[in-house]
Amino acid sequence: DQQVKQNSPSLSVQEGRISILNCDYTNSMFDYFLWYKKYPAEGPTFLISISSIKDKNEDGRFTVFLNKSAKHLSLHIVPSQPGDSAVYFCAANSGGSNYKLTFGKGTLLTVNP
Amino acid sequence: EAEVAQSPRYKITEKSQAVAFWCDPISGHATLYWYRQILGQGPELLVQFQDESVVDDSQLPKDRFSAERLKGVDSTLKIQPAELGDSAMYLCASSAGIWGQGPYEQYFGPGTRLTVT
Repeated sequence: DQQVKQNSPSLSVQEGRISILNCDYTNSMFDYFLWYKKYPAEGPTFLISISSIKDKNEDGRFTVFLNKSAKHLSLHIVPSQPGDSAVYFCAANSGGSNYKLTFGKGTLLTVNP
Repeated sequence: EAEVAQSPRYKITEKSQAVAFWCDPISGHATLYWYRQILGQGPELLVQFQDESVVDDSQLPKDRFSAERLKGVDSTLKIQPAELGDSAMYLCASSAGIWGQGPYEQYFGPGTRLTVT
């Protein structure tokens, strides 16, 4: 049973436009959410996070939105750049003292020049 | 900038052989994680250490996998014997979070790509 779902395996966007990556979750105990970017043959790189007490967090070109009632979060990248082309993973933490992250399967973003 | 170090970056081994991976977390990070990532999937937690103690190894195939973090700093993950299905990327991550408190962000190393033939 997949608790964190990224239903779009891939997304293609034109340079300069907005990229929107989506993530849904089923576990209502999740209270902290993170986005990671991964290039081939490298480890995931932390991008941005959001606590469940917020509905938006912004860091430069990256903004994460959280809709708790819908159990949905999204990552917006504006403007998109070719260097943003990578696999993006959504991850969730169920709080407590374990800090265990549950990851989605990832979305491959391709930004075309 | 502090990074998580892993070695080797690539490993090819024959099935039934033993293989070991090493990880050095970011200095001062008490929590260390080993993940396995299969192509097309997200990372899946194998084992989590808080200092030198295992706090979660529920997904570790203990008949063939073992992990240790003897002095609460660097860590080794071992597979013996390796099977064809073990071919994957093995990722190490560390976090500054301590028991009962955040932060939750985990920082990953470059990974070890294992191929079992």
